[in-house]
Formats: sequence, structure tokens, C-alpha cells
Amino acid sequence: ETGVTQSPTHLIKTRGQQVTLRCSSQSGHNTVSWYQQALGQGPQFIFQYYREEENGRGNFPPRFSGLQFPNYSSELNVNALELDDSALYLCASSLPGQNTEAFFGQGTRLTVV
Amino acid sequence: GESVGLHLPTLSVQEGDNSIINCAYSNSASDYFIWYKQESGKGPQFIIDIRSNMDKRQGQRVTVLLNKTVKHLSLQIAATQPGDSAVYFCAEKRSDMRFGAGTRLTVKP
Repeated sequence: ETGVTQSPTHLIKTRGQQVTLRCSSQSGHNTVSWYQQALGQGPQFIFQYYREEENGRGNFPPRFSGLQFPNYSSELNVNALELDDSALYLCASSLPGQNTEAFFGQGTRLTVV
Repeated sequence: GESVGLHLPTLSVQEGDNSIINCAYSNSASDYFIWYKQESGKGPQFIIDIRSNMDKRQGQRVTVLLNKTVKHLSLQIAATQPGDSAVYFCAEKRSDMRFGAGTRLTVKP
């Protein structure tokens, strides 16, 4: 148990729809990062939030957006869903800085049909 | 370009044997690395980390070796057990983390 929880665990959406995924960080961790993991691949960095501000972004289009709340929980929003958005979406929490451990939640499996 | 990559996509070992999973990185400025274990349908689980001021770190049945000269990491698992079967990723952590594709470890009874 890492203390990082994500909801929902599974989700099926139709192409063109919007989705919101949620993450509660481990106690004391104020930095939350989101990753997309396609089947058979390693996780790919989407973006990171620190103190409610985006603090770094990977190579994902603007239809991927996020929020962080004062309690450090976070949301990932994806608009105009495409079939290729089907993946496991992972949230990781950590303390700020480069050399800090990061712990993952169990992920949300998103299927776009 | 910058990357973190793994040498072997699959590894099969006999129960009780030692396992060695390798990883190469290309950014010589990288100074913090983490090994994760990911079981089917689950998120990556933190195993062990190492900073660039070290060349070896040991945990419970696991050892990570870092060779900065050739930019290479390895994860050694002693007395491999069936429960060790999973995909193993090394990750290079800066503000974000960069992962390779992973190595699938299968432990044969």
C-alpha cells in the first residue's frame, strides 16, 4: 500500500467524450505527477503539479489538462477522447525535488471505444 | 537523445536462482534512479533507489548497482521467488521520471 489512491479503477468512454480521473496523494506529498501507460510500454510523463500549479509537462496535447487542490489531490481531464487514449493512467506522488521517492497509485484503466 | 532503456525485454529464471536486470541511460547528468516492479493490472511498486554519489545500494534481497562510467544500472534479485514475476522498470528521475519499456521477469518453479 503506497497511500496513493486513484478513482475510478476502470472506465469505458466513447470517442469524442471527456473524462476526469482522480488521485489522492500520499500523506505529506505535495507533488503529483500523471503518467500514461500504453499496453506493453513504460509509463510516459503527462504533467506534474506542485502547489496547485502545473510544474512541468510532457509531450501531450492541450486536451490533456489537470488540477491540483489545496489538499494536494489532483485530477486529470482529457477532452475529445481518441481511441489511442486507451491506456492505464497512473498518478504518482512525491515530495518536491529531483532526488525524492515517488510512489504510484494502482492506476485507472481507460478504454475508449 | 536522452533515454532510459533496457537491454532485454524478457528474462526467465529458475526459482531460487539470482536474477539480474539491466538498464542503460544516456544522460550523464542524471543523478537519481529508481527501480519499480509492476504486476499485471497494478501500478508500479517502488523497489529501491540509488543516487549518483553511490555505486551500490542493498535492500531486502535486492541490490542496485550503478556504473556511471558506462551509464548502466542493474537490479539484482537474490533467491528469486515466484512472487517476483513481474515487469521491472528502471526510471531516471528529474522533475519527472523517464522509463524504459521494461523487462518481464518470469520465475519457473
